[in-house]
Amino acid sequence: EVQLVESGGGLVQPGGSLRLSCVASGFTFSTYGMNWVRQAPGKGLEWLSAISTSGHTPYYADSVKGRFTISRDNSKNMLYLQMDSLRAEDTAVYYCAKGVGATHQIDYWGQGTLVTVSS
Amino acid sequence: DIVMTQTPLSLSVTPGQPASISCKSSQSLLYGDGKTYLYWYLQKPGQSPQLLIYQVSSRFSGVPDRFSGSGSGTDFTLKISRVEAEDVGVYYCMQGLQLPLTFGGGTKVEIK
Repeated sequence: EVQLVESGGGLVQPGGSLRLSCVASGFTFSTYGMNWVRQAPGKGLEWLSAISTSGHTPYYADSVKGRFTISRDNSKNMLYLQMDSLRAEDTAVYYCAKGVGATHQIDYWGQGTLVTVSS
Repeated sequence: DIVMTQTPLSLSVTPGQPASISCKSSQSLLYGDGKTYLYWYLQKPGQSPQLLIYQVSSRFSGVPDRFSGSGSGTDFTLKISRVEAEDVGVYYCMQGLQLPLTFGGGTKVEIK
């Protein structure tokens, strides 16, 4: 059974940093592309970032480019999102999402972790 | 970026009756491999999204056959043949043709 469990969310002040983690199980992590997607309170889904199977090729939405960094550790089945220079508009539930094969289309989602940016 | 537009915004359906949701993309989702990268997800209240349909019309593992997808190019439809109480939530279409992945605004389905 595919499982994705996010952690690391919480309350952070504007301008601060946070690192989200996602532990994957139930599939061969190193052979799948991975994504981060967020959902602001009461809003729709926004794709943020994707990473290739090797971790060498990251992709970002314009809204987070230069502030967020995606990475992965295939030896630990872990996906990360380093979030810097956080803004109030980054407040959202952040989902880790598994790609379909090596691509970035999404088949499975984690339960999400809430990030609140507020003073 | 590819813009995804869903209609209607909301649906109120009597149990056992059909429901239909439309999704339009700003450009064709047909790729050179002959596949069309249109996906449908359901986000039940308080839960994360779950995949229902991939590549326009293929049901994902465990998805009941009352859910069906159709369409081509830029126009797509999700149909529920007989809505059940467990089908309530927000339905999203998503294009997987290119990054950034983009989602429709969502259609909220509720039971009358």
